[in-house]
Amino acid sequence: DAGVIQSPRHEVTEMGQEVTLRCKPISGHNSLFWYRQTMMRGLELLIYFNNNVPIDDSGMPEDRFSAKMPNASFSTLKIQPSEPRDSAVYFCASSRSVAGGDEQFFGPGTRLTVL
Amino acid sequence: GESVGLHLPTLSVQEGDNSIINCAYSNSASDYFIWYKQESGKGPQFIIDIRSNMDKRQGQRVTVLLNKTVKHLSLQIAATQPGDSAVYFCAEINGKLSFGAGTTVTVRA
Repeated sequence: DAGVIQSPRHEVTEMGQEVTLRCKPISGHNSLFWYRQTMMRGLELLIYFNNNVPIDDSGMPEDRFSAKMPNASFSTLKIQPSEPRDSAVYFCASSRSVAGGDEQFFGPGTRLTVL
Repeated sequence: GESVGLHLPTLSVQEGDNSIINCAYSNSASDYFIWYKQESGKGPQFIIDIRSNMDKRQGQRVTVLLNKTVKHLSLQIAATQPGDSAVYFCAEINGKLSFGAGTTVTVRA
């Protein structure tokens, strides 16, 4: 299995632009998670889906952030408009379920820089 | 609010020595804990987990200890190798996964 796939790996954009991050979970996994990692705040859970349905989006910082999962093999995280403080590494992870016993497998991350 | 945290941000270890990474948590309702390893430029990778009904669990070269009385979690790495250099995170699950700040482990040759 290729593992969790994220694209792009790096994104540099200007403030105000729309940014779309993409994730393909591991086949057969029913749960998908979006995280943000910064030096100041560490790893933060933004939102997670179970069977393509958003379960908890309480970690999404603002209305500028939105996430979708149109099918079991694809999810997007969109920031519109982007701001310099959104600069971070964004990770997608998937697991067989949201249950505590199921390991989350992380993708390589997308490093976002907003100028 | 309740959170997961780490005692030390960095740890320098001589190759071949044992490493001990500590973690304190404050949510007594958490019933499941995980240690992750993150190498530079990569996502976190699962190392070992432990449930609250256990106080010790061993893996290959790693041991996790859980002390619920003082809400403390530790990760022991035996015979530390250069490939163990990474950031180590403890995480707790109480409904959802919450990560601590991370400890950077550097292995000296």
